[in-house]
Amino acid sequence: EPEVTQTPSHQVTQMGQEVILRCVPISNHLYFYWYRQILGQKVEFLVSFYNNEISEKSEIFDDQFSVERPDGSNFTLKIRSTKLEDSAMYFCASFSGTGSYEQYFGPGTRLTVT
Amino acid sequence: EDQVTQSPEALRLQEGESSSLNCSYTVSGLRGLFWYRQDPGKGPEFLFTLYSAGEEKEKERLKATLTKKESFLHITAPKPEDSATYLCAVQAYGSARQLTFGSGTQLTVLP
Repeated sequence: EPEVTQTPSHQVTQMGQEVILRCVPISNHLYFYWYRQILGQKVEFLVSFYNNEISEKSEIFDDQFSVERPDGSNFTLKIRSTKLEDSAMYFCASFSGTGSYEQYFGPGTRLTVT
Repeated sequence: EDQVTQSPEALRLQEGESSSLNCSYTVSGLRGLFWYRQDPGKGPEFLFTLYSAGEEKEKERLKATLTKKESFLHITAPKPEDSATYLCAVQAYGSARQLTFGSGTQLTVLP
C-alpha cells in the first residue's frame, strides 16, 4: 500500500542552524502539506503546496520557513535559522486531488533544537 | 476562525466497555470532517471522512456519525489494541484543503 515517507526520523540541531526535512508523498498525489505538533499540543497546519507553488500558509509559516519540490518525488521543508520553539514533530501529508478529501500523513520527523 | 473541540481529553475503558468520543466544531462551511488515530510518536492514521449531517461510517469496532455541530466516534466492545489518541479535524470550503485539528482524546483500553 502506498505511503508517505519522511527523513530523517529524528534531527537534532543547534539554535541558529538551518535544517531541511524531507518527504516523499504518495506518487500520484497532487496536494502536499506540512503540519507540526509541539509535544502535548494540537497538530497545526503550516503550509499547503499545489502545482509547484504555495497555495496557503499559516501565521506560523514566516520568512524562516520555505518549501520546495525539487524533483518529481521529494517535498522539502527548510527552516533557515532554527529557534528553540521550533522543536516539534513535523508531519508531511498528501492528498490525491480527486474523489474523497482525506490526507495521508507520514511518520514524522522529530526536530530537537538545542 | 475554524475551531474543533474534543471531549473528553482522556478516557479509560475496560475491554468490552463501549463508549463515545465527542468532536464539536465551528467552521465557515464544512467540506469534510475527518477522524484519525495517532499512536505515540507516530503520524495520524486516517480512519473516516464524513461530509454531511446524518452520515455514518463504520470500520470494525468504530462508527463515526455527524450532525451539523458535532461528530461522535462510537467504540463498541473495545480491545487493548484500540488504545491510541483519536483526532478529529475539519476542512473548510474556500481553503486549500488544510485540516484544522482538535486536541484529541487519549483512549486507554484496559485488559
